[in-house]
Amino acid sequence: DQQVKQNSPSLSVQEGRISILNCDYTNSMFDYFLWYKKYPAEGPTFLISISSIKDKNEDGRFTVFLNKSAKHLSLHIVPSQPGDSAVYFCAASSTGTASKLTFGTGTRLQVTL
Amino acid sequence: NAGVTQTPKFQVLKTGQSMTLQCAQDMNHNSMYWYRQDPGMGLRLIYYSASEGTTDKGEVPNGYNVSRLNKREFSLRLESAAPSQTSVYFCASSLAGALGGSYNEQFFGPGTRLTVL
Repeated sequence: DQQVKQNSPSLSVQEGRISILNCDYTNSMFDYFLWYKKYPAEGPTFLISISSIKDKNEDGRFTVFLNKSAKHLSLHIVPSQPGDSAVYFCAASSTGTASKLTFGTGTRLQVTL
Repeated sequence: NAGVTQTPKFQVLKTGQSMTLQCAQDMNHNSMYWYRQDPGMGLRLIYYSASEGTTDKGEVPNGYNVSRLNKREFSLRLESAAPSQTSVYFCASSLAGALGGSYNEQFFGPGTRLTVL
């Protein structure tokens, strides 16, 4: 039973355009959501997060939107740059669970020139 | 600060051999985690340690054991390696705590690529 789902294994976007990565979850106890970025042969690095009490969080070119009623979140990257080409993982956690994260399967973003 | 370090970076084992993957963090984090990453499967939690002196099973613990040696170090042991354990292993740590929120952010090491023949 996959509690966090990323249904698009890959996405290709032109440089300068918007990249939208999607994530769905099923566990209503999740109250904190994170996006990680992973380059080949490196560990995942934290990108941006959002608490369930908010519906939007912005950090430079990256914005995460949360729709609690739909149990859906998305990561927007504007404008997309070639250096954004990586695998993006969505993750979720619940307060009081030893900070365990449940990860999605990832979306590989390719930003083309 | 080195963050989270893992050794070795690469390892090839024969079926039945044993080995220990080492992980250390210098951020004074309370919780530590071991994940494996397989194609199409994302990151799956093997074991975690909420605090020094405690360890618990994650999603895929079979075939593994862990030791939280002290607050800094958390090792993963394969007693009898199997080809199904061929994977990339990541260690992570977080400040953690009852407050949740940003305390849940995990910091990852660079990974160990393990091949079991």
